[in-house]
Amino acid sequence: GENVEQHPSTLSVQEGDSAVIKCTYSDSASNYFPWYKQELGKGPQLIIDIRSNVGEKKDQRIAVTLNKTAKHFSLHITETQPEDSAVYFCAANSISNSGYALNFGKGTSLLVTP
Amino acid sequence: GAVVSQHPSRVICKSGTSVKIECRSLDFQATTMFWYRQFPKQSLMLMATSNEGSKATYEQGVEKDKFLINHASLTLSTLTVTSAHPEDSSFYICSARDWQRPFGGYTFGSGTRLTVV
Repeated sequence: GENVEQHPSTLSVQEGDSAVIKCTYSDSASNYFPWYKQELGKGPQLIIDIRSNVGEKKDQRIAVTLNKTAKHFSLHITETQPEDSAVYFCAANSISNSGYALNFGKGTSLLVTP
Repeated sequence: GAVVSQHPSRVICKSGTSVKIECRSLDFQATTMFWYRQFPKQSLMLMATSNEGSKATYEQGVEKDKFLINHASLTLSTLTVTSAHPEDSSFYICSARDWQRPFGGYTFGSGTRLTVV
């Protein structure tokens, strides 16, 4: 099955700096790679996603890059703000027993200090 | 945007009792729904995949007789934790996939915090 590795597990940056989180995946059949933000006690919220036929996607301060050959993708947050503090998960789809379930990385706890 | 409603948000039950969690897609039809479990400060672990009108498919190590999943309609899936024990205490999250979207379309519920005492 799909194995998604995520680094770092914790990341602390100062407000205004950039944050980068990296993930690798193992299943070459994966073709969809979303990033989620999860706040304490809540479900994950999609912040950006990318398909395998695209190398980069940007949405305001957030961007995702994908290297399909190397099987890795990264989340870039620029001009970080304290409200960006949360746990971020990368994911990759994979054919589970009966559908393209998402498999998640272990998460990165991002802290943005004022 | 797509909305998935999950209820209850919190539940406390006694050991040995059963608890039902509902997951509804409010503005789209979901032929496939997924159930995840999340322990504190850990990732989401896929428990099972349910397809409307058919039996759920469970991940390795997940007891199907303990975690009963029903996906009787295109907008509703339920997870019943039977004969709950303290080790079943966890955060359970559902995800519904919009069948009309070939990519993505995964929307997550807000989660259910289950505490078994």
